[in-house]
Amino acid sequence: AQRVTQPEKLLSVFKGAPVELKCNYSYSGSPELFWYVQYSRQRLQLLLRHISRESIKGFTADLNKGETSFHLKKPFAQEEDSAMYYCAARGGSRLTFGEGTQLTVNP
Amino acid sequence: SAVISQKPSRDICQRGTSLTIQCQVDSQVTMMFWYRQQPGQSLTLIATANQGSEATYESGFVIDKFPISRPNLTFSTLTVSNMSPEDSSIYLCSTDVLGARGAFFGQGTRLTVV
Repeated sequence: AQRVTQPEKLLSVFKGAPVELKCNYSYSGSPELFWYVQYSRQRLQLLLRHISRESIKGFTADLNKGETSFHLKKPFAQEEDSAMYYCAARGGSRLTFGEGTQLTVNP
Repeated sequence: SAVISQKPSRDICQRGTSLTIQCQVDSQVTMMFWYRQQPGQSLTLIATANQGSEATYESGFVIDKFPISRPNLTFSTLTVSNMSPEDSSIYLCSTDVLGARGAFFGQGTRLTVV
């Protein structure tokens, strides 16, 4: 069965520290991987996807097919990064979400 | 990109009643998706709504409980029928615009059943 796992429900770091949000997936075929973010009182929105190999708001994510991981990283966390982060995988039209990680960046 | 308007944004309903949630997209889209997010949990896909055909429901969700309409390419409704407190959740509408970078979401409907 398709599954996306985010082992950390809560993650707290200090401003300026590096941050890594973990995501592992179990999926048949070659899924497309995404990170979505939900800031307080805002709707869920796409942060980045593995196909684009992009850096958004300083965040990057590398797809490791051997480890079936898609961890989200930022070298220097900012207070405005505090939000709920969801990893998601898509095979066909269907998105499967992880349980989310609540990131808090302390001043 | 796509702008998705969802309403109501929240409601408190009596058990045994039904609530219909509306989702409007500002462009024509093939597929629309309905998710449920129970307190403290992730998003779970309820069903996929295609225009001109029956919605496709995921395991654990049935049409009698969650009837869906898709009358055109920009609009869909989800009804939560015969509600119980266990239906208290956030319900989200989503679409995946062709060629877009990823799925777009409505702001969600926070439903509380008392």
